[in-house]
Amino acid sequence: AQKITQTQPGMFVQEKEAVTLDCTYDTSDQSYGLFWYKQPSSGEMIFLIYQGSYDEQNATEGRYSLNFQKARKSANLVISASQLGDSAMYFCAMSPEYGNKLVFGAGTILRVKS
Amino acid sequence: ETGVTQTPRHLVMGMTNKKSLKCEQHLGHNAMYWYKQSAKKPLELMFVYNFKEQTENNSVPSRFSPECPNSSHLFLHLHTLQPEDSALYLCASSQWQAERGDSPLHFGNGTRLTVT
Repeated sequence: AQKITQTQPGMFVQEKEAVTLDCTYDTSDQSYGLFWYKQPSSGEMIFLIYQGSYDEQNATEGRYSLNFQKARKSANLVISASQLGDSAMYFCAMSPEYGNKLVFGAGTILRVKS
Repeated sequence: ETGVTQTPRHLVMGMTNKKSLKCEQHLGHNAMYWYKQSAKKPLELMFVYNFKEQTENNSVPSRFSPECPNSSHLFLHLHTLQPEDSALYLCASSQWQAERGDSPLHFGNGTRLTVT
């Protein structure tokens, strides 16, 4: 069975600084995908970034980058130059080797301070 | 209209009521999902439909009954719910991939359900 662990219930970051949100995972699959989603207070889940287990380069999307360390089974999200609008809940998720049924972590609440 | 649309946004129902949640996607996807998000718990997958066929029922109680008439529409019929069923119910869609699922799920805004 797959499992996602997010150990930081809440994080604070100063506006314009970078922040790292931790995610570790457990799976016996050889091939899998890792995703990060943002959930503002409005409730919608917004897809941020994807990393495939066989991708050699760390994924980047604008201010978001994924620090993928396969041997450590970690997939941390790095947000650079934080903005007030980044305040939200952030979820790490994993898809299995077959199909794309996502398993989610418990989430991390990020608060950006001005 | 684009994306994934869920209605209603908020729903309050008694334990003896029957209601339905509706989800519609305009992304041309062929897989649709229901997730439940309760306070202080990770998102829980409830049901998965691929090409209108149910492929996953994650041990969901029978008081939740999904329906997928076509690849663009998904319903969740509710009857005789319990107060602990109060939660945010999220619908999502994606392109189904048999292997190495790298197609992200696109979510709707959810329905905030309160059972009294």
